[in-house]
Amino acid sequence: QSALTQPASVSGSPGQSITISCTGTSSDIGGYNYVSWYQQHPGKAPKLILYNVSDRPSGVSNRFSGSKSGNTASLTISGLQAEDEADYYCTSYSGSSTRVFGGGTKLTVL
Amino acid sequence: EVHLLESGGGLVQPGGSLRLSCAASGFTFSSYAMSWVRQAPGKGLEWVSIISANGGSTYYADSVKGRFTISRDNSKNTLYLQMNTLRADDTAVYYCAKNHGTTLPEYWGQGTLVTVSS
Repeated sequence: QSALTQPASVSGSPGQSITISCTGTSSDIGGYNYVSWYQQHPGKAPKLILYNVSDRPSGVSNRFSGSKSGNTASLTISGLQAEDEADYYCTSYSGSSTRVFGGGTKLTVL
Repeated sequence: EVHLLESGGGLVQPGGSLRLSCAASGFTFSSYAMSWVRQAPGKGLEWVSIISANGGSTYYADSVKGRFTISRDNSKNTLYLQMNTLRADDTAVYYCAKNHGTTLPEYWGQGTLVTVSS
């Protein structure tokens, strides 16, 4: 149950696109199409923004998109907005009804 | 609207015990698997435990296995986490969550802070 690897921080200007990577192993990301992403603003609970690699829950902006290749998943946010500034976490199913999270990435909108 | 309210957090000495509760409303509690996830101060999220909808199946992270017990009372729409032999590294905000499918936390409560310190 080792944590998935995310960059500690990323940044971008309003209107730009950014991508956050999430690297695991063949036992988690590489073995299942069950990668999800959360957005967490300071002092708030996490909010699910993507599941099953690229599916968006109802009400989540289509500016958020996801993909996966091998043992690495990615979250792309297009048309960056100030409100997107938050921490982002990936998670993957890791077999036997267990989950593993990434260490989190702080997104700064310049 | 899904609403989850955690309670039971507080300050406890190393080696002590604490039971967290999570009161659920706004959905058919007995139809959904539930999770506990924690977040140490200033740190990332850590998956803790999952319980199936009927309570018959439970799963734990290696870091808490043998010390924590997840349970539920579907008649009271309440989820529990019994935490024993607590250590300093168990200090965290503990979130309960309604799952999407079997294992994915979908809706989260606001969390309850557990501090393990002498």
